[in-house]
Amino acid sequence: KAGVTQTPRYLIKTRGQQVTLSCSPISGHRSVSWYQQTPGQGLQFLFEYFSETQRNKGNFPGRFSGRQFSNSRSEMNVSTLELGDSALYLCASSLGSGEHNEQFFGPGTRLTVL
Amino acid sequence: KQEVTQIPAALSVPEGENLVLNCSFTDSAIYNLQWFRQDPGKGLTSLLLIQSSQREQTSGRLNASLDKSSGRSTLYIAASQPGDSATYLCAVRSSNDYKLSFGAGTTVTVRA
Repeated sequence: KAGVTQTPRYLIKTRGQQVTLSCSPISGHRSVSWYQQTPGQGLQFLFEYFSETQRNKGNFPGRFSGRQFSNSRSEMNVSTLELGDSALYLCASSLGSGEHNEQFFGPGTRLTVL
Repeated sequence: KQEVTQIPAALSVPEGENLVLNCSFTDSAIYNLQWFRQDPGKGLTSLLLIQSSQREQTSGRLNASLDKSSGRSTLYIAASQPGDSATYLCAVRSSNDYKLSFGAGTTVTVRA
């Protein structure tokens, strides 16, 4: 079974631009979560989608948004990029509910904002 | 709000020694706890998931215990190898808001 894939793997943008990151979950998984990882803040939860609906949201500004499609693939968008948005963005997928809800992570997208 | 703490932040041991990594959390209302491994610049690899009704899980040289009432989990890695060098993170899924909260991780170096 293929794992979680994320595209692109690396991205360089300048301040003020916007960016879209993509995540394809493991086949059969209905939940996709997004995380931001930085050396200073560690892993921070952005949002979670389940069956095309946002189920949970972290404490990030409205510049960060996401969506999930009917095939469970998900995209994350960051508008008006700031230098502090430079980070590793990780996507994780899972079946979606209950105690057995094991998260599987993709390799991440490394975003650099200049 | 769930707070997850991992101590120590870093650990260096000679090859062959057993590793003991600690994770504590503030709210015992959890669905499960998951241990991950992360290599530099890479994504997270799931090691073990312990459901709230379980006391421990084992996979090969890895064993993780869970004491929900005291808010603690311990990951044991037997007979460490240089390939075990990585950062180990624990994450707790709260049953209140279903969010997954991560600790800051323990960076392990196994010396050959």
